[in-house]
Amino acid sequence: QSALTQPASVSGSPGQSITISCTGTSSDVGGYNSVSWYQQHPGKAPKLMIYDVSNRPSGVFTRFSGSKSGNTASLTISGLQAEDEADYYCSSSTNSTTPVVFGGGTKLTVL
Amino acid sequence: EVQLVETGGGLIQPGGSLRLSCAASGFTVSSNYMNWVRQAPGKGLEWVSVIYSGGSTYYADSVKGRFTISRDNSKNTLYLQMNSLRAEDTAVYYCARGTSGGYVDYWGQGTLVTVSS
Repeated sequence: QSALTQPASVSGSPGQSITISCTGTSSDVGGYNSVSWYQQHPGKAPKLMIYDVSNRPSGVFTRFSGSKSGNTASLTISGLQAEDEADYYCSSSTNSTTPVVFGGGTKLTVL
Repeated sequence: EVQLVETGGGLIQPGGSLRLSCAASGFTVSSNYMNWVRQAPGKGLEWVSVIYSGGSTYYADSVKGRFTISRDNSKNTLYLQMNSLRAEDTAVYYCARGTSGGYVDYWGQGTLVTVSS
């Protein structure tokens, strides 16, 4: 099972909005409403930010939002803040023998 | 409060074996989907294995036949037995509670496994 495709890096200035894409296939992203997004700061464990494409866990700010169109999911962060600088990973359920697949990760830099 | 604490990492020679443990608190391991996810130094997340509440297990192709996931219900602990270790298995290994929706809602702090001679 190949990893989902994410851009290696994105950047934005404080207050701006950015979008991170996550492209898969009809066997994963396109076939399931089970896309999730994780934030990881250096040296820390990942943290769940979005689940089931667009749902936010309790405690995650509303400026984090998720969506999906076809085989591509997206994470949008509006009103960028310095503390948003981190690595972001998408994940999806799959219909292969490996039930979960992650994206390669995107490094977000807040300029 | 949900907590996951991994132990058992360390330096091991190629071809060796290691068993990782993940002690859970605040919930019942046997009632949940429990995963191991790893992250090689400077690299992304890689899903390794899952054990479902019913006991079914699945593995990434890269570890199939070498790693075994299991749990001890009496100790509320998850394990990962790793045999025939290779340099490319070097990573931080995270214990992670999964859901029926396929996402992970809680992660442990991770334990580092280094395979090197």
